[in-house]
Amino acid sequence: GDSVTQMEGPVTLSEEAFLTINCTYTATGYPSLFWYVQYPGEGLQLLLKATKADDKGSNKGFEATYRKETTSFHLEKGSVQVSDSAVYFCALGGSNYKLTFGKGTLLTVNP
Amino acid sequence: DAGVTQSPTHLIKTRGQQVTLRCSPKSGHDTVSWYQQALGQGPQFIFQYYEEEERQRGNFPDRFSGHQFPNYSSELNVNALLLGDSALYLCASSLPGQGATGANVLTFGAGSRLTVL
Repeated sequence: GDSVTQMEGPVTLSEEAFLTINCTYTATGYPSLFWYVQYPGEGLQLLLKATKADDKGSNKGFEATYRKETTSFHLEKGSVQVSDSAVYFCALGGSNYKLTFGKGTLLTVNP
Repeated sequence: DAGVTQSPTHLIKTRGQQVTLRCSPKSGHDTVSWYQQALGQGPQFIFQYYEEEERQRGNFPDRFSGHQFPNYSSELNVNALLLGDSALYLCASSLPGQGATGANVLTFGAGSRLTVL
């Protein structure tokens, strides 16, 4: 079945540092890939998505590229801010109406 | 425009009791999915409702049941509560069509946090 493996945290960075959170997946067919973010006490918000191989999703300075050859969708940001502190989830959407999530990565950015 | 609204936000139950959680989808959305998020884990798919029918179900026992009303709102019912049912229950809505494909991004509510003692 479908599965998502993402880098376990927690990840602690200083403001303006470079961020990478690794995500790899296993799926049949051609899934869509997503990054969702969850701020404390809130639900999940879509951060970015990619629907086919080599697509790059981007939003708020975050980027991720759908790499079919390595089955990966790593999240990157060149310069993190304190306000980026949250839990980040990589997710896969197949043809069966559901999202399959990774376990989440807690990011803390210190001033 | 209100997004997905869920109620109650927090509740405490004891083992063996039953609970009902409610969800109103985002305006214009007609498909509702429910997810369970245990502490420190990613959300797990429970089921999805479309046109008042359960369209897809995850790996959850029959103690978990749901309903969708003609106005697209939905309820999640859990019977015979276990300690392990303690979690954040998330409702998500989407536009008609293919569910969680790239063309139909899910909009999540803030969740109902259930504690079972």
